[in-house]
Amino acid sequence: AQKVTQAQTEISVVEKEDVTLDCVYETRDTTYYLFWYKQPPSGELVFLIRRNSFDEQNEISGRYSWNFQKSTSSFNFTITASQVVDSAVYFCAPFPNAGNNRKLIWGLGTSLAVNP
Amino acid sequence: EAQVTQNPRYLITVTGKKLTVTCSQNMNHEYMSWYRQDPGLGLRQIYYSMNVEVTDKGDVPEGYKVSRKEKRNFPLILESPSPNQTSLYFCASSSRQGRAGANVLTFGAGSRLTVL
Repeated sequence: AQKVTQAQTEISVVEKEDVTLDCVYETRDTTYYLFWYKQPPSGELVFLIRRNSFDEQNEISGRYSWNFQKSTSSFNFTITASQVVDSAVYFCAPFPNAGNNRKLIWGLGTSLAVNP
Repeated sequence: EAQVTQNPRYLITVTGKKLTVTCSQNMNHEYMSWYRQDPGLGLRQIYYSMNVEVTDKGDVPEGYKVSRKEKRNFPLILESPSPNQTSLYFCASSSRQGRAGANVLTFGAGSRLTVL
């Protein structure tokens, strides 16, 4: 069975610290997609990134970076020099690309608090 | 502006009083979906629709109905709401999902429903 784990329920950092949010996707599938979504205090869900399991290159977008390691089934998200506006709940959501159950599998989220 | 619009955003109702949460998207998306979000349980899919007149159950469909008569609209109907349906509800849409691929979901702002 497929399982996504975001082991960190809550993280609190001080502004300008770097912070890494962990995501582990246990699956026997060889192909899948991985998504991250952000839910700020205002409540809406915002897409951050989608990666294909074939692509293990790290992705960087401004202060955000993602590190995918297929060998460990991890797709970690790092915020460099965090800011108060980064305070949100972050969801990792794999998407199996095989079989009949092709839909997002939502992690329970990591609540990040960035304090001034 | 491309968006998914949900109404109402907030609603307090009583047990048994039928209600409908509307969802409309202006992106000509084929796929639409309803989720509920509860503390400790994350996002769970209620129903989804691959296209007009095509709907299917998600993980927690009991107590809900949906319809997809037009491409842009996907209302969520609670025929006889109960207190355990108190939750935060999200509508989302994307271009084709499932076997056709893993496309980015655009979410509505959420509807907070309280059933007394």
